[in-house]
Amino acid sequence: QLQLQEAGPGLVKPSETLSLTCTVSFGSISSSSYYWAWIRQPPGKGLEWIGHIYYNGRTFYNPSLTSRVTISIDTSHNFFSLNVTSVTAADTAVYYCARQYKSEYFDPWGQGILVTVSS
Amino acid sequence: ETVLTQSPATLSVSPGDRVTLSCRASQSINRNLAWYQQKPGQAPRLLIYGASTRATGIPARFSGSGSGTEFTLTISSLQSGDFALYYCQQYNDWPPMYTFGQGTKLDIK
Repeated sequence: QLQLQEAGPGLVKPSETLSLTCTVSFGSISSSSYYWAWIRQPPGKGLEWIGHIYYNGRTFYNPSLTSRVTISIDTSHNFFSLNVTSVTAADTAVYYCARQYKSEYFDPWGQGILVTVSS
Repeated sequence: ETVLTQSPATLSVSPGDRVTLSCRASQSINRNLAWYQQKPGQAPRLLIYGASTRATGIPARFSGSGSGTEFTLTISSLQSGDFALYYCQQYNDWPPMYTFGQGTKLDIK
């Protein structure tokens, strides 16, 4: 059964870059049926789609974040990554990676990683 | 961007109850809607996609219906493990912009 696992620093300073990776296990990230997505959830709040990437590197981003977000993929090592530049306290959230069927629903999700932006 | 509005925000119910959660879209999204369950400290879990198709391993007490702008998730007989947050999500917009409702929390009465 496919599994996803987020990794990265739990604390980032304001104005710096948040960088996370999502490792995919028990399945190939090169499947043509899926996109690979990042979604975040501020503490006590709802879910926000950040963006997604296809195995060939094609990306789409949330328009509210597109100027600060980059998602990349490494098919040879079966992981994808998220960079968010110029972070502020508003970027504090649990960050999830997820597999997205075609361009539709998200399943499964990683367990999530809390990233706090603070000096 | 399609805005999803869920109601109610909180629902106090008892085990064994039948409950219906609502999700309304700001414009027609056909049947391009999914439902998720989220328990404290856990990632969301897919319940329903295509408005009414249960995901793999989801019990038959969960059912979804609707199309266009009005959708419902029904849990036919609540079990203790069903007390959680429920989110709807649409995947109709192009260019891609996936949005979630603000969630409905099921509380034990």
